Order: sequence, then structure tokens, then C-alpha cells
Amino acid sequence: DVKVTQSSRYLVKRTGEKVFLECVQDMDHENMFWYRQDPGLGLRLIYFSYDVKMKEKGDIPEGYSVSREKKERFSLILESASTNQTSMYLCASSLISGVQPQHFGDGTRLSIL
Amino acid sequence: AQKVTQAQTEISVVEKEDVTLDCVYETRDTTYYLFWYKQPPSGELVFLIRRNSFDEQNEISGRYSWNFQKSTSSFNFTITASQVVDSAVYFCALIANDYKLSFGAGTTVTVRA
Repeated sequence: DVKVTQSSRYLVKRTGEKVFLECVQDMDHENMFWYRQDPGLGLRLIYFSYDVKMKEKGDIPEGYSVSREKKERFSLILESASTNQTSMYLCASSLISGVQPQHFGDGTRLSIL
Repeated sequence: AQKVTQAQTEISVVEKEDVTLDCVYETRDTTYYLFWYKQPPSGELVFLIRRNSFDEQNEISGRYSWNFQKSTSSFNFTITASQVVDSAVYFCALIANDYKLSFGAGTTVTVRA
């Protein structure tokens, strides 16, 4: 069965810290995505990757970076966390064709104090 | 750029009632795909359906049905004889030639016993 695993369900960090959110998929999918979900705004795309070591900016990349050293793992990095980055973060993956359904992890609820 | 509008923020119904979720989309591309996802309280988004822009045939899957009308740019979702387990946030989404999935803000459905 399809599985996307995010390393933490809940995370609390302090302003200015460097934060790493990890995501692993076991479906050999080429595409991986990071979204943030905020009430009333739905999901917004932060970054995505269509291959190892490749990355593309989404709609709201400011304050974030990503790393994809292996096909199955896609990391989201908050370089210097700020309170406005408190949110639910969702990772997803899909097959190479962009129109294939994305499969999502359970999400990480991140609080920046 | 694509846009998806889910005008209903919250819907509350009593068990066994039918509930229809509205989704209106905007895109200039002639080829696009529409999706519905369900997000139960556990947090993981679950894929429900994908429909491409050339297939306006309505679809039924158990108690779920979808009505796609290009003339009104709508892709509405109906749950028949709702159950408590249907309580969730439902997202409509669209992907077109930029291969970025654009989500609506979501509709929270609460089914009361």
C-alpha cells in the first residue's frame, strides 16, 4: 500500500532555530511536494521536486528551502524559523506524470514560539 | 494561474441527510484535471476522485457522486445518506499545464448522529 511518512506529527521550536521536516515515501515516486495548510487558505505549495537533486519553487517558497538527496526522501528546511511559519505541513508524492493523484502523509503540526 | 473556489466554509447535517459540496474553478488551459480529497480528523488527505476536462460524465461510487459541468466550471460532490464517518474537511483541487495542484480553501462537513 502507498505510504508517505512524515517524521513528526507535532513539533515545537523557537524563533530563529533551523528546523528540518523530513518526509519519506516508499512508492518509488518521482515527484515529491511540500505544502502548508492554514485555516481558510487550503493547501499552498511551498516547493516540489521531480527528481533527485532537483527542486522547483512553489507559490510560497520564501523562508524555506528543500533537499532531495535520495529519491525516497524530501526534506523541508526552515532556515530561521519565525512565528508566521506556525502551520500544518503536508508532504506528498506522485508518479512522474503531473496529473497522477498525489499521496499525502499525516502532516506535521509545527509551532514556532 | 488556476483558481479553485469552495464557497461553503462549513456544513452541518444530521445523519442520513444528503450533502452537496460546491466547487468552482478557473483556468485558461483546455486540458486540466480536477480532484477531490478528504481530510479526516487524523490529518491525512485521502484521494477520492480525479476527472479530466474532456470527460464530463458524472460518476457514482457508493454513497459518493460527482457532477462535472464545464459550462459552469463546476465540479460538485454529493454525499448521499451521510454518516458520522463522513465528517471531515473536503478539498477540491485542479491541475493544469503548469502541473501544480491548486487547492480550494476546503469545506468542513460535520455529520451529527
